[in-house]
Amino acid sequence: GAGVSQSPSNKVTEKGKDVELRCDPISGHTALYWYRQSLGQGLEFLIYFQGNSAPDKSGLPSDRFSAERTGGSVSTLTIQRTQQEDSAVYLCASSLVRANVLTFGAGSRLTVL
Amino acid sequence: AQTVTQSQPEMSVQEAETVTLSCTYDTSESDYYLFWYKQPPSRQMILVIRQEAYKQQNATENRFSVNFQKAAKSFSLKISDSQLGDAAMYFCAYRRFQGAQKLVFGQGTRLTINP
Repeated sequence: GAGVSQSPSNKVTEKGKDVELRCDPISGHTALYWYRQSLGQGLEFLIYFQGNSAPDKSGLPSDRFSAERTGGSVSTLTIQRTQQEDSAVYLCASSLVRANVLTFGAGSRLTVL
Repeated sequence: AQTVTQSQPEMSVQEAETVTLSCTYDTSESDYYLFWYKQPPSRQMILVIRQEAYKQQNATENRFSVNFQKAAKSFSLKISDSQLGDAAMYFCAYRRFQGAQKLVFGQGTRLTINP
């Protein structure tokens, strides 16, 4: 597609449930990023994938969070045993290898009741 | 670790006037990139302008320009002839020149345009 696509746009879940958020980057973009934006806050880095290199997971807040990227394209962010503090907008972005500009998706808003 | 600080949680400006949003950052590196992103209510982050630290000339994109003060580690955004469509959250961001390519963001400034 022409842009970064994220699904679902909105997700409401109950505390303790697992959720999966999907990101489909721009075709040809080998770098993919996940960020979290809590209400009224800035963007918090979660994880970064670059080609076949080991991902930079330094921003994942706990072991309940994980992400994978299959075939160098689509990425899934999984949150296990969701907590209320996980409620946020999860933004995905992609870029070319040596580009310094990230293109963002519209985000997935997660609400944990 | 690099940090980015936006000291103005909210700003407002009259339509057609000029407004300046502040950003400071902390880094020990000499080469890096700086960005301003805009986030309207649609949540889509849109690149407004970028600056390479090795360039002394301030970046300009139409009504948007920056005042890059490398020694002071300051990177402010000036919006001229403000328009209603400029209303949004504005985020300042830093990226290392080499190595990890993640962006480090400030907390954002909410800009309101008064008609």
